[in-house]
Amino acid sequence: EPEVTQTPSHQVTQMGQEVILRCVPISNHLYFYWYRQILGQKVEFLVSFYNNEISEKSEIFDDQFSVERPDGSNFTLKIRSTKLEDSAMYFCASSESWGLDTEAFFGQGTRLTVV
Amino acid sequence: ELKVEQNPLFLSMQEGKNYTIYCNYSTTSDRLYWYRQDPGKSLESLFVLLSNGAVKQEGRLMASLDTKARLSTLHITAAVHDLSATYFCAVDSNSGYALNFGKGTSLLVTP
Repeated sequence: EPEVTQTPSHQVTQMGQEVILRCVPISNHLYFYWYRQILGQKVEFLVSFYNNEISEKSEIFDDQFSVERPDGSNFTLKIRSTKLEDSAMYFCASSESWGLDTEAFFGQGTRLTVV
Repeated sequence: ELKVEQNPLFLSMQEGKNYTIYCNYSTTSDRLYWYRQDPGKSLESLFVLLSNGAVKQEGRLMASLDTKARLSTLHITAAVHDLSATYFCAVDSNSGYALNFGKGTSLLVTP
């Protein structure tokens, strides 16, 4: 069964360092998303991406964050200068379309720990 | 701002019992989703509810949607231990692409 794949599963980084989280969405999907979940809290939307541009972003997604689809298969989230409060589980998701009866499929997540 | 409220946030129930998890949301929305999350794992899609009065069932779980009341329910019938997990409802933002999640209901089913 097709699935969204994320790497690495766990990343530890020092405060102020740049990190890139990688995702391979399901191959025929056109819409891509990043969400995050701080430990014990709810899942929060960060950004959606379609047709090589951001279609929507939340307040969390400030200038420190960027997304890119560098090739036909990968979708990345970059955090330029990590802060302690960026520690969270980051989920990538993809969907075939956006509309009625569309569902987003989530990857296994990357646990980011900023020390 | 779209708010999604779930209750209860924590639920401990005995095997064989029935219970309902509630999800209220603050503005109109076309779609409501239920996800399951096991500890340290990803989000597994359970149901997509699209219209007023929609009801979907999968095994011991049944979800319904009342768009007029802005309320969805997830009903658990004859709970078993394997249902222990955190259940999230999520509502789309109507602006297009974001899902707004509730805080989740942490369910523990005990013998």
